[in-house]
Amino acid sequence: GQQVMQIPQYQHVQEGEDFTTYCNSSTTLSNIQWYKQRPGGHPVFLIQLVKSGEVKKQKRLTFQFGEAKKNSSLHITATQTTDVGTYFCAGPETSGSRLTFGEGTQLTVNP
Amino acid sequence: NAGVTQTPKFRILKIGQSMTLQCTQDMNHNYMYWYRQDPGMGLKLIYYSVGAGITDKGEVPNGYNVSRSTTEDFPLRLELAAPSQTSVYFCASSYAGWNTFGSGTRLTVV
Repeated sequence: GQQVMQIPQYQHVQEGEDFTTYCNSSTTLSNIQWYKQRPGGHPVFLIQLVKSGEVKKQKRLTFQFGEAKKNSSLHITATQTTDVGTYFCAGPETSGSRLTFGEGTQLTVNP
Repeated sequence: NAGVTQTPKFRILKIGQSMTLQCTQDMNHNYMYWYRQDPGMGLKLIYYSVGAGITDKGEVPNGYNVSRSTTEDFPLRLELAAPSQTSVYFCASSYAGWNTFGSGTRLTVV
């Protein structure tokens, strides 16, 4: 079945440093989604990328979808303590009715 | 709109007991999902539904059952609770592909 892998599993940064998490799928995806889960909270949808090579920005967050539509990345510039949490990528299975989630990257930010 | 509402927020069960986790959404989404998340881990799909009257198994369905009699409600039933079912359970719904999650039920089986 489809697999979605994320690296790194954990990332510790000093406030102000940049952060990047990478997501790779075993199959070509129709889209890739990113979610953020704060400690003790629930996953919250951030963004969906659909087109090959697409780049989208949300303030300090930059999301990319690879040309082959099998990989994606999330880059945070100048991290803040509010960025703490686990970031998940997810891709729809072929049927489109369910998502496969990556294992997530847990980000901690030291003030 | 309340979005996706889950009850209860916390529950402690004894081994062998049964319970139903409630999930309701007011967004008229066709797709609904149940996930479990063990500490420090990712989301594992238990069951999902593409519409009222239709349910299907996910990755980890053993020990659980679901029903979908209405578009709004998607309860998850645990029969004969086991310590391995200690987890946080998230319900989610979807219309255009991305999931909207409820705030979760934290279940401990002792």
